[in-house]
Amino acid sequence: GESVGLHLPTLSVQEGDNSIINCAYSNSASDYFIWYKQESGKGPQFIIDIRSNMDKRQGQRVTVLLNKTVKHLSLQIAATQPGDSAVYFCAENIMDSNYQLIWGAGTKLIIKP
Amino acid sequence: DADVTQTPRNRITKTGKRIMLECSQTKGHDRMYWYRQDPGLGLQLIYYSFDVKDINKGEISDGYSVSRQAQAKFSLSLESAIPNQTALYFCATSDPGGPTGDTQYFGPGTRLTVL
Repeated sequence: GESVGLHLPTLSVQEGDNSIINCAYSNSASDYFIWYKQESGKGPQFIIDIRSNMDKRQGQRVTVLLNKTVKHLSLQIAATQPGDSAVYFCAENIMDSNYQLIWGAGTKLIIKP
Repeated sequence: DADVTQTPRNRITKTGKRIMLECSQTKGHDRMYWYRQDPGLGLQLIYYSFDVKDINKGEISDGYSVSRQAQAKFSLSLESAIPNQTALYFCATSDPGGPTGDTQYFGPGTRLTVL
């Protein structure tokens, strides 16, 4: 895993607006990417994933975009709600391998009323 | 995720004590992990296991040991706890052959305080 010794960056968003959380990944061989949501006092939970043969995937109110050229991943949350307040982690992996998930540092999302 | 349970949920102990944190899963996954999380920070991998006979060190294994007693159980031990091991500890499981690749599923965490 990667070092995660840095304090979390924070993103403040007005309730009802869209949120965009960004992540730069490190390994050009990574072909599978996951976004996790961690609410206060709880373990991380899977939100959405994307494989490297796609550049966009949509879920319920969430969209993940993948730009392999610049090794960039983003999570878009539509119409942000108070329940979206959490820390969001991206993670990268190589499918069908023994490589470990590499975790991003995380972004804390704060919703302003 | 109720399929991954951790005991205890909270523990306060003293410096020098031996502590064991337990993790059990009913997901049938071969892979299990122990992570540490300090306040306001991300996840750090302590140890991981790909099956019952496999134990691997993560990035911060010093001061910790693990035991994979069965596919469903993975325990973490602190042989002689020290205050800077005060943190939130998470167990996770994964199944690389499943429909969501190597997505990890986390337990609820154990909050450990070493005085």
